[in-house]
Amino acid sequence: EIVMTQSPATLSVSPGERATLSCRASQYSSTNLAWYQQKPGQAPRLLIYGASTRATGIPARFSGSGSGTEFTLTISSLQSEDFAVYYCQQYKNWPPGAFGGGTKVEIK
Amino acid sequence: QVQLQESGPGLVEPSQTLSLTCTVSGDSISSGTHYWSWIRQPAGKGLEWIGRIYTSGSTNYKPSLNSRVTISVDTSKNQFFLKLSSVTAADTAVYYCARAVTGMAVADYFDYWGQGTLVTVSS
Repeated sequence: EIVMTQSPATLSVSPGERATLSCRASQYSSTNLAWYQQKPGQAPRLLIYGASTRATGIPARFSGSGSGTEFTLTISSLQSEDFAVYYCQQYKNWPPGAFGGGTKVEIK
Repeated sequence: QVQLQESGPGLVEPSQTLSLTCTVSGDSISSGTHYWSWIRQPAGKGLEWIGRIYTSGSTNYKPSLNSRVTISVDTSKNQFFLKLSSVTAADTAVYYCARAVTGMAVADYFDYWGQGTLVTVSS
């Protein structure tokens, strides 16, 4: 079973600053990697798929990079609405739904 | 605009069967362009994929839940369903339905999600 490890668990960032979130896969995942944002009481929202392609309606301040086993989500200038939990998920290998444990981005 | 909406009892007694419905609008399950999945999230914890169904009725389940899970579909109503038997407190979670995108990969990512419904297992 593939294990997705996200770091850090919590990231404290000031509004306007850059946030860099990491995700590591225990097995080769090519670029079959998605990122989701989840706010309290809401469903996850797809941000990035294919490791670097923004989903429909996602602002350009969100960018994804990486391939293989190491992936990064960067939020270039944090807005108030960006404070949330972020999950990565690989979808190269079966079964689906290999989610990371999440990174909480909180206000510094 | 694709929308999914979960519905079903919010409280289930231990050892009973959890039953949920997901109603899809803005897309047709019978179009065959996507799989349709169930995912759950215990309070304060991460996301757990439960299983998926295709318009044909073909299903795949998480191996550790396989013996207790049944997912079915009614294309005439544009709905799909989750049944989880012999539930325990460990099955207490917010349950989401989601549209799955498979593309060229073996597995899926999820581009549209329902708002989620909390199911509590308790007597």
